[in-house]
Amino acid sequence: EAGVTQFPSHSVIEKGQTVTLRCDPISGHDNLYWYRRVMGKEIKFLLHFVKESKQDESGMPNNRFLAERTGGTYSTLKVQPAELEDSGVYFCASSQERTSGRETQYFGPGTRLLVL
Amino acid sequence: GQNIDQPTEMTATEGAIVQINCTYQTSGFNGLFWYQQHAGEAPTFLSYNVLDGLEEKGRFSSFLSRSKGYSYLLLKELQMKDSASYLCAVRAPGSNYQLIWGAGTKLIIKP
Repeated sequence: EAGVTQFPSHSVIEKGQTVTLRCDPISGHDNLYWYRRVMGKEIKFLLHFVKESKQDESGMPNNRFLAERTGGTYSTLKVQPAELEDSGVYFCASSQERTSGRETQYFGPGTRLLVL
Repeated sequence: GQNIDQPTEMTATEGAIVQINCTYQTSGFNGLFWYQQHAGEAPTFLSYNVLDGLEEKGRFSSFLSRSKGYSYLLLKELQMKDSASYLCAVRAPGSNYQLIWGAGTKLIIKP
């Protein structure tokens, strides 16, 4: 079974440009999460999809970030325009529908974004 | 506020045992996870505790005390491949199952 995949693995862009990150969750997983880790800091939650619906986007830093999950399969996270402080590693995770509370999130390898 | 603390870095010897501690202060509690992350790779699930006590899984064990807001990950018979970061994360109720993360403990294994 394929794991969570993310594209690209690395992205270097200039301030003001746009970048779109993609996440393909494990097939059949309804829950999809985006997290971000800024260098030297802990991983922070960004948002959570259940199928195509945004369940919780309380962690999105500002309106320069837009996440979509059309059709409830893969998800994209667009940053427009990118700022220097957006640099970091963006992780995607997915999980099956919760039936017991022992919901385990499976993570992708992350996209390393550097804004110059 | 939400706060999860774990040591920044630890060093241990191959074949030995190491305990990585995690303390948390969160508005509610609905389980604690430990993940392992090798440099440049995805965090991988190691263990989940929601009730007090010890959960053992091979060379790895995880302990939880909810009254103390404390957990530890115990690694036995250390191998060089265990060199990685170990992340403690708490799932708080009412937060829609998002995970609240510690900064991670970098474990260095020496021969």
